[in-house]
Amino acid sequence: RKEVEQDPGPFNVPEGATVAFNCTYSNSASQSFFWYRQDCRKEPKLLMSVYSSGNEDGRFTAQLNRASQYISLLIRDSKLSDSATYLCVVNYYLSGGGGTASKLTFGTGTRLQVTL
Amino acid sequence: SQTIHQWPATLVQPVGSPLSLECTVEGTSNPNLYWYRQAAGRGLQLLFYSVGIGQISSEVPQNLSASRPQDRQFILSSKKLLLSDSGFYLCAWSSLGTNYNEQFFGPGTRLTVL
Repeated sequence: RKEVEQDPGPFNVPEGATVAFNCTYSNSASQSFFWYRQDCRKEPKLLMSVYSSGNEDGRFTAQLNRASQYISLLIRDSKLSDSATYLCVVNYYLSGGGGTASKLTFGTGTRLQVTL
Repeated sequence: SQTIHQWPATLVQPVGSPLSLECTVEGTSNPNLYWYRQAAGRGLQLLFYSVGIGQISSEVPQNLSASRPQDRQFILSSKKLLLSDSGFYLCAWSSLGTNYNEQFFGPGTRLTVL
C-alpha cells in the first residue's frame, strides 16, 4: 500500500466549478500535512498547510481527519490558472546525522484541468 | 527572503559518466537540506537529507551520493550514471521552527541519461 494515495485524475472541470480532491495516508505517526501545487515541468510549490481544525485560504479549503487518516482540498470558483497537479503531502520527523529533519512523503498527485 | 538555486537546469549525460548537481540556499542559516528525485509519472522520492555541514543521511540505497561542504550548499553526485538515474532532481530546504516544517523547493535539474 502506498504511504499517500491520491486519485490521479485528470479532473476536467469548467471554469467556475467547485472541485474536491481526496487523499489518504497510511502512517499514523504523520504529524503535519500539506497541499502542494506542481505545474508541468516545474518544482512543487506550497499551496497550504492543513490544520487539524481545517483551514481556508481564499477559494481553497483544506480538511484533515486524523481518525480516518484522510485529507481533502476543495477549490471553489475554479480558474483557468488553477490547472496543475495537486500533491498531497504528509510529514513526520526523521532523526539522523546528529539532528532532526522533516520527512515529506508525497502522493503522486491529482491532475486538474480547468476549461472555458 | 530566502531563495534556493539549482544548476544546471537541464543535463544530458551518457551512461557511465559522472554527475554533480549543485544546490545553494540564500537568506537563511542552518537550513535542513533535501534531495528528491521525481521520475516520469511518479511521485517525489526523498534521496538524502542533511541537518548540518558534513551530515548526510540516505533514505534509499542507490547509485548516488550527497555532500554538504558548506552550510547552504548541497551537492548530489554519482561516479557512474545509470539509465535509471534519469529524472527531475529537486533540492529543498526547511527550517525547524517554521510552521509545520514546510519545505521549499528549488527549480530542479532535469537529467536525461542516454
